[in-house]
Amino acid sequence: QQQVKQSPQSLIVQKGGISIINCAYENTAFDYFPWYQQFPGKGPALLIAIRPDVSEKKEGRFTISFNKSAKQFSLHIMDSQPGDSATYFCAASYQGAQKLVFGQGTRLTINP
Amino acid sequence: DGGITQSPKYLFRKEGQNVTLSCEQNLNHDAMYWYRQDPGQGLRLIYYSQIVNDFQKGDIAEGYSVSREKKESFPLTVTSAQKNPTAFYLCASSQSGGGEVGGYTFGSGTRLTVV
Repeated sequence: QQQVKQSPQSLIVQKGGISIINCAYENTAFDYFPWYQQFPGKGPALLIAIRPDVSEKKEGRFTISFNKSAKQFSLHIMDSQPGDSATYFCAASYQGAQKLVFGQGTRLTINP
Repeated sequence: DGGITQSPKYLFRKEGQNVTLSCEQNLNHDAMYWYRQDPGQGLRLIYYSQIVNDFQKGDIAEGYSVSREKKESFPLTVTSAQKNPTAFYLCASSQSGGGEVGGYTFGSGTRLTVV
């Protein structure tokens, strides 16, 4: 119940396309859903996060869509660029939690 | 600048040796974490600490040990009992355990190789 399932494991998108990464969770206590971006040889960095009181949050080309009834959330990268090539992790937690629960990661490659 | 410093960046261990990875933060964060990342894999939690002098095992604690004597420091020792230690090790800290306040801040990692 503490797991967050992320898909796909890897994704190849053409430059200018839309990249979509999906995550699903079971624990209805989760109320915070961040996405982290990791470049090779570096630590992950917080990209964008959402709480369940909204269905969508947009920051530049990055959008989180949240479906509370389906217990799913997704990251959309519009106009994908080669510089977006990285590994993306979704995660979840709740107020008072001792740690984030991370998804398994998606390796995104944007072809020029 | 505030952040997390991991050292060394690269570390080589001989069979049967214990090695210690350093993690220091100047963010005044209470919580600190150690993750292991294998090539093409996700983040697996080794140990975490919410306060000084207290820490909990994560999902893969066997063969590892930690200490939290100071708020700023959370060193990880990879013992000889860890049979497959070659991996990328990441340290993180956060203001709140679930990361909802400011998120997790990660270091740049230590790449450990057994020779």
